Amino acid sequence: SAVISQKPSRDICQRGTSLTIQCQVDSQVTMMFWYRQQPGQSLTLIATANQGSEATYESGFVIDKFPISRPNLTFSTLTVSNMSPEDSSIYLCSVGSEKLFFGSGTQLSVL
Amino acid sequence: AQRVTQPEKLLSVFKGAPVELKCNYSYSGSPELFWYVQYSRQRLQLLLRHISRESIKGFTADLNKGETSFHLKKPFAQEEDSAMYYCAPTFNSNAGGTSYGKLTFGQGTILTVHP
Repeated sequence: SAVISQKPSRDICQRGTSLTIQCQVDSQVTMMFWYRQQPGQSLTLIATANQGSEATYESGFVIDKFPISRPNLTFSTLTVSNMSPEDSSIYLCSVGSEKLFFGSGTQLSVL
Repeated sequence: AQRVTQPEKLLSVFKGAPVELKCNYSYSGSPELFWYVQYSRQRLQLLLRHISRESIKGFTADLNKGETSFHLKKPFAQEEDSAMYYCAPTFNSNAGGTSYGKLTFGQGTILTVHP
């Protein structure tokens, strides 16, 4: 199993600002995944972060809006840039292959 | 198009009653199928995988390729089963390959088991 620490757990931000979410895993993992859950919606994969290469983004998500860093095999960050109220969501990081482990999530509210 | 559908947003049963959470998918290939569960104030966690053919907490799920369904079933529901349940297939992105971490989540079904 993997233990994932994600922070902040929640934040309230102003429109136009950026927030960086951190995800720390207690073991080395090849891939880390970032998901978004908008209010009343299901989870949607934003991108896959591989150590040593650029993240792979899913359709509808771009690097300029959601830059990701993956400096080592236990850590990743997701930045939500130039935020608008539509970015208000829960953001989750996860790791694993056949079985995914999830962080506790970051609840973001943009005013 | 690859799609997963959980037709019931809410499902209520009484303790001891059978429960079935429906999941249908649309995909021309052979997906890997999972059920994830989120109990109140807990993290999302894996409940079961179809290739394991296992029973977890009394739940089972059978892949029906003809109907493209992967319904989750339990013969006798318990109050502690109350949670949000997500059906989540992984659709192969490469020929012969599987992208395990790239799950497509259904809308989720909130199961409430009444005493």
